[in-house]
Amino acid sequence: EVQLLESGGGLVQPGGSLRLSCAASGFTFSFYAMGWVRQAPGKGLEWVSGISGGGTNTDDADSVKGRFTISRDNSKNTLYLQMNSLRAEDTAVYYCAKYGSSSWLASFDYWGQGALVTVSS
Amino acid sequence: DIQMTQSPSSLSASVGDRITITCRASQTISKYLNWYQQKPGKAPKLLIYAASTLESGVPSRFSGSGSGAEFTLTISSLQPEDFATYYCQQSYSSPSTFGQGTKLEIK
Repeated sequence: EVQLLESGGGLVQPGGSLRLSCAASGFTFSFYAMGWVRQAPGKGLEWVSGISGGGTNTDDADSVKGRFTISRDNSKNTLYLQMNSLRAEDTAVYYCAKYGSSSWLASFDYWGQGALVTVSS
Repeated sequence: DIQMTQSPSSLSASVGDRITITCRASQTISKYLNWYQQKPGKAPKLLIYAASTLESGVPSRFSGSGSGAEFTLTISSLQPEDFATYYCQQSYSSPSTFGQGTKLEIK
């Protein structure tokens, strides 16, 4: 059974940093691209970042480019999102999601339960 | 970036009804279109990928069609558990983008 378990969410001040982790199990982690999708309170879904199975290729939404960094440790079956220079508009539930292929130009076939990040003073 | 527009934004229907949600892309995306269902407080769930392929375990009352820039999600006979918000997503080019969502409510 595929499981994705996010951790690391919480309350942070504007300008601060936070790192989300996503522990994966139930599939061969290194075979699949992974991504982060967020959802601001009462809003729709927004793709944030994607990373290839090997971790060599990444892409980010313009809204987070230069501030967020996606990475993965295939030896630990874990996905990360390092978030720096956080803004109020980054407040959202962040979902870790597995792509259905090695490319991030694919559907998300499994999602974690989400981690709430609140940016506020 | 490719913009995805869903219609309607909200829909009221009854158990047993047949409903259709439309998703339009701002440019052609071939068949790189996916549909998700999200219930309050829960993560999205993949229903259909590549415009018309039903994800494993999804009931056959869900179906998808379309190609190019216009797509539809149809639920043939609504069940109580189908009342949720539905999102389309294009996976043709990066950044992947989602529609704004369609909230399906009980009439």
